[in-house]
Amino acid sequence: DAGVIQSPRHEVTEMGQEVTLRCKPISGHNSLFWYRQTMMRGLELLIYFNNNVPIDDSGMPEDRFSAKMPNASFSTLKIQPSEPRDSAVYFCASSFRPGLAGDTGELFFGEGSRLTVL
Amino acid sequence: AQSVSQHNHHVILSEAASLELGCNYSYGGTVNLFWYVQYPGQHLQLLLKYFSGDPLVKGIKGFEAEFIKSKFSFNLRKPSVQWSDTAEYFCAVRLNAGNNRKLIWGLGTSLAVNP
Repeated sequence: DAGVIQSPRHEVTEMGQEVTLRCKPISGHNSLFWYRQTMMRGLELLIYFNNNVPIDDSGMPEDRFSAKMPNASFSTLKIQPSEPRDSAVYFCASSFRPGLAGDTGELFFGEGSRLTVL
Repeated sequence: AQSVSQHNHHVILSEAASLELGCNYSYGGTVNLFWYVQYPGQHLQLLLKYFSGDPLVKGIKGFEAEFIKSKFSFNLRKPSVQWSDTAEYFCAVRLNAGNNRKLIWGLGTSLAVNP
């Protein structure tokens, strides 16, 4: 099993540029989560999807951030325009949908995308 | 609002010392409880979880945690730590109510084990 796959692993960009982070969840999982991790704030949930539908996006910082999940095997997190304060590690995680058959409660995390905005 | 508190932000131990990391949550309903570990430079991995049944749960690598409902606590323990246990430890709670069952995370505890 390949696990959750994220790309790119590292990205360095300049302020004002568009950043797109990608995630392929584990096949068969129907919930997908985007997290941001920083030293100051720890692990923050940005948005999560059930069956490709956004359920809770209350953690998305502002309009510069957007996330899509066009199908069950792919999601993107986009930042446009990027700012230095967006520098962080962005994790994608997937799981079976809570409360449904197969739910073990476990989130499977990708390796993360380390973003540096100069 | 629901929250998860991890009281120890940084812990430094010597090898073979015993470990206990505190985790308390604020929610009166039914919950699922988790501890995740993040080794340096790696992603988070599940250490152990509690759904129901025996409140003392055992996880990987000799870790265990005890759910005490009356104290809203789920403390993580290990009798004898190793240098390889150096990592960040996160407690998380999932509310078992409504349609939004997202995890609520603690801020994490950084554990450094000296050889």
